[in-house]
Amino acid sequence: EVQLEEFGGGLVQPGGSLRLSCAVSGFTVSSSHMTWVRQAPGKGLEWVAAIYTGGSTYYVDSVKGRFTFSRDNSKNTLYLQMNSLRVEDTAVYYCARDAGSYATDVWGKGTTVTVSS
Amino acid sequence: DLLLTQSPSSLSASVGDRVTITCRASQAVRNYIAWYQQKPGQAPKSLIYGSWALHSGVPSRFSGSGSGTDFTLTISSLQPEDSATYYCQHYNGYPQTFGQGTKLE
Repeated sequence: EVQLEEFGGGLVQPGGSLRLSCAVSGFTVSSSHMTWVRQAPGKGLEWVAAIYTGGSTYYVDSVKGRFTFSRDNSKNTLYLQMNSLRVEDTAVYYCARDAGSYATDVWGKGTTVTVSS
Repeated sequence: DLLLTQSPSSLSASVGDRVTITCRASQAVRNYIAWYQQKPGQAPKSLIYGSWALHSGVPSRFSGSGSGTDFTLTISSLQPEDSATYYCQHYNGYPQTFGQGTKLE
């Protein structure tokens, strides 16, 4: 069964760091494009970052230089390192599979990040 | 950057009604439009890709259409479990863009 499970959310002060993990089962992360999508409280969905099968990474402008998307093929796990966090980064963060022409087809349940003093 | 505008922002309908949600792109796009359903406290669920193709397991009462700048999601006979927020997405390359959502009650 294909499953994504996020870990690592929590409360952090502005300027702090947090690392989210996404454990994948049912397929290999190295063979799929993967993305992070976030949703601020009461707001809509926002695409945040992606990693291609070849390892290239892409980010929304608001997180460029602060977030880093990586993967560990041996653990079949994805990571989102978030530095210099801002109050506006507060959101539920979803890990998802980008199935190319089939769009985003599998989603994790999400992990909540709260940036507050 | 591409902008997707959904209308209406919210709507109320009755069981059995035919409901249509529109997604308008700020520029002409190829058919890389997807639709997602999200219920409160849950992750989004993928409904449609390629503007009209249904993901496996999605009821046939859901359908998508459109081209150019205008795309629609139609629910042919509304069921109680369809109460949710619906989002369109353009997914050709990065950054990907979502519409602001349509809340269906």
